[in-house]
Amino acid sequence: GNSVTQMEGPVTLSEEAFLTINCTYTATGYPSLFWYVQYPGEGLQLLLKATKADDKGSNKGFEATYRKETTSFHLEKGSVQVSDSAVYFCALSRTGANNLFFGTGTRLTVIP
Amino acid sequence: EPEVTQTPSHQVTQMGQEVILRCVPISNHLYFYWYRQILGQKVEFLVSFYNNEISEKSEIFDDQFSVERPDGSNFTLKIRSTKLEDSAMYFCASSLGAGRSSYEQYFGPGTRLTVT
Repeated sequence: GNSVTQMEGPVTLSEEAFLTINCTYTATGYPSLFWYVQYPGEGLQLLLKATKADDKGSNKGFEATYRKETTSFHLEKGSVQVSDSAVYFCALSRTGANNLFFGTGTRLTVIP
Repeated sequence: EPEVTQTPSHQVTQMGQEVILRCVPISNHLYFYWYRQILGQKVEFLVSFYNNEISEKSEIFDDQFSVERPDGSNFTLKIRSTKLEDSAMYFCASSLGAGRSSYEQYFGPGTRLTVT
């Protein structure tokens, strides 16, 4: 089947610290992989995506690389800011399918 | 920037009651979705809707659930007889197209449904 396993939270970091949120997946075929972010009171927003092996998605200083050999798509940022405090969701979609499979979400709090 | 809106933000209902959750997708989008997240669990796909019919649904989406696009702007999720286990955050989403990763799904802020 298709599933996403995400690092348990919550994660609390000091400003300018390095962030890693782990995500691994199980899927048939060649899924596309996504990171979504949810800021307080808002909907999930697409942060970045990768559609094939070795692709790197990046946006707002965040990066994630599609690793087929380890079935992983870990989210990283070199220097987090207070404004990055949010819930981060890893997700996948199957080729040709509409629906997304999500992880449980990881709450990140960045303190000044 | 256009956005998906959902009402109400929080709905409390008694077990056995019918509830309708409302969503206004982005106006030129053609595909509509409902997802839910039970507290502490994963966001789960419920149903997708295109051209006035269900295009895909999950095992969760049983006969107690229905979706409708009653007019040109609203997209609703109805739960006929709510159960305690229906308590969750329900997210609506829409996309311009589907079946390719280039078609981003845009999500609303969610409706928190509490069944007592």
